[in-house]
Amino acid sequence: EAGVAQSPRYKIIEKRQSVAFWCNPISGHATLYWYQQILGQGPKLLIQFQNNGVVDDSQLPKDRFSAERLKGVDSTLKIQPAKLEDSAVYLCASSYLAGGPSQVNEQFFGPGTRLTVL
Amino acid sequence: LAKTTQPISMDSYEGQEVNITCSHNNIATNDYITWYQQFPSQGPRFIIQGYKTKVTNEVASLFIPADRKSSTLSLPRVSLSDTAVYYCLVGDPLGGNMLTFGGGTRLMVKP
Repeated sequence: EAGVAQSPRYKIIEKRQSVAFWCNPISGHATLYWYQQILGQGPKLLIQFQNNGVVDDSQLPKDRFSAERLKGVDSTLKIQPAKLEDSAVYLCASSYLAGGPSQVNEQFFGPGTRLTVL
Repeated sequence: LAKTTQPISMDSYEGQEVNITCSHNNIATNDYITWYQQFPSQGPRFIIQGYKTKVTNEVASLFIPADRKSSTLSLPRVSLSDTAVYYCLVGDPLGGNMLTFGGGTRLMVKP
């Protein structure tokens, strides 16, 4: 089974530039997540999609970050304009939400995109 | 949002059993407890999930007391390759609040 794919793996930009990250989840997974992980910290959820719809984007800095999930499959996360503090690894994860609370909701993570803002 | 508290770091030796405890005093009725493992330069990897009592799989056991205000991840006979950061998450699998990672516990396994 293919895992979660992300690209690019690395990106270096200057502040105030724009950047976009792409994620392809595991086939059949309805739920997709974007996380930001700053060095030395745990991942922080930015946005969660269930199919096409947004479940939670409460921690997404909406003045500069945007995300979409067209057709309920691939997703892109964009930062415009980037700030120095956006330097981090951006992780995409997906899960197959089987339904009842007795089901294990295991998230499968991609390798991440390491962003450096200079 | 249920907040979790874990030790920042732990040391162990190969072959020992390691127990990592997580405190979650304000866990809600619908919340489950999930543990993830993360190696450097990789995304987190699911280890185990439970609601109450004890859950065991091929790599770990999860102990949850009756009040569910804490949980303990048990790794039997650790090896050097178990050196990683371990995260405890608490939340509702059907909702959006499962996804708060704390600082995690850095486990160092020594030869």
